[in-house]
Amino acid sequence: DVKVTQSSRYLVKRTGEKVFLECVQDMDHENMFWYRQDPGLGLRLIYFSYDVKMKEKGDIPEGYSVSREKKERFSLILESASTNQTSMYLCASSRTVNEKLFFGSGTQLSVL
Amino acid sequence: GESVGLHLPTLSVQEGDNSIINCAYSNSASDYFIWYKQESGKGPQFIIDIRSNMDKRQGQRVTVLLNKTVKHLSLQIAATQPGDSAVYFCAVIGSNDYKLSFGAGTTVTVRA
Repeated sequence: DVKVTQSSRYLVKRTGEKVFLECVQDMDHENMFWYRQDPGLGLRLIYFSYDVKMKEKGDIPEGYSVSREKKERFSLILESASTNQTSMYLCASSRTVNEKLFFGSGTQLSVL
Repeated sequence: GESVGLHLPTLSVQEGDNSIINCAYSNSASDYFIWYKQESGKGPQFIIDIRSNMDKRQGQRVTVLLNKTVKHLSLQIAATQPGDSAVYFCAVIGSNDYKLSFGAGTTVTVRA
């Protein structure tokens, strides 16, 4: 089975801090994604990557950046965390284009 | 862009009854459809998928129906069990697309 592992299950940070969320997948998938999930708003795509060092903005990229230096690892960076970035963050991967996504367990981030 | 909507945000079902969860999509070019289940505190988990060249697909206790004419998708769960209590999302993707478009989710509660 595909395994997508997110480094932290819960994270508490202060406003203005730089935050790194890490994600690793073990199935050599080409594509990796970062979503945030908020009550009543569903899953919203922040960024995705279709190859090493390649990235594309999703629907809500403001306030975030990403890094993909190795195929198996995709990092989400909050340059200066704000309270409105308190959310559940979900990482996902897919084998190639037009394929289902496999999700990690999520990181619940609280920014105080 | 793709718009994906669910008909009911919540569904309460008696244990042992069948459940039907509905989803509508807007883009006629969408050709791959996926249902996910998300339990509390976990990431979405793949349940079943269907390509646009089919109108029905069955899994273990689950059936997905696709009506391309009216752009409607449904998930049927047979003999619903307490472990089926979760949020169910439909997701839609077009050919040559990387990104899934998600519905807002239906919360299914199973009554004993």
